[in-house]
Amino acid sequence: SAVISQKPSRDICQRGTSLTIQCQVDSQVTMMFWYRQQPGQSLTLIATANQGSEATYESGFVIDKFPISRPNLTFSTLTVSNMSPEDSSIYLCSVEERLDGYTFGSGTRLTVV
Amino acid sequence: LAKTTQPISMDSYEGQEVNITCSHNNIATNDYITWYQQFPSQGPRFIIQGYKTKVTNEVASLFIPADRKSSTLSLPRVSLSDTAVYYCLVGVPSNDYKLSFGAGTTVTVRA
Repeated sequence: SAVISQKPSRDICQRGTSLTIQCQVDSQVTMMFWYRQQPGQSLTLIATANQGSEATYESGFVIDKFPISRPNLTFSTLTVSNMSPEDSSIYLCSVEERLDGYTFGSGTRLTVV
Repeated sequence: LAKTTQPISMDSYEGQEVNITCSHNNIATNDYITWYQQFPSQGPRFIIQGYKTKVTNEVASLFIPADRKSSTLSLPRVSLSDTAVYYCLVGVPSNDYKLSFGAGTTVTVRA
């Protein structure tokens, strides 16, 4: 199955700043997905990123707050902009693998102070 | 996507079998049932997927009755390392399949 590397694994950021999270996959994939997991909660899909087109955002998430890049078939970034303490969460990227379901990165634990 | 209902938590002891039942009353004809496992500080990991009857792999078994309105994940002889959150998802695997996670079931295995 695919191997996903996410960077950074954790960070502590000041409110009002932005953080860019990187997701690197060891194989080419059509679609990449970004999720948020707030403390003690389940996962919520933020957006779907296709190479060569704009990301598709789920209800409650907007591009200005969570801009996404997808420059090629193995890489994507998610930026959390103008952060507030409410953005403190784990952010995960995921890719689909037909035979083995979906594979997730280990996540980025973000704390905003 | 079909809504799923699972118990919030379950406790067990090492060596026991753990059965987690998920309800999905409005499952559609083309929907598959998939289970994921998430350890603390890690992303979810695919465990098993099925459409009907019984599916078994090296990790677990998945039992799906004929009406498909529920499914049961069975973990044989659990160990402490099986302590995790288990998620039941229902949907159609496809290129635009978006995973929708419910609350999951926290399984705690004690010595």
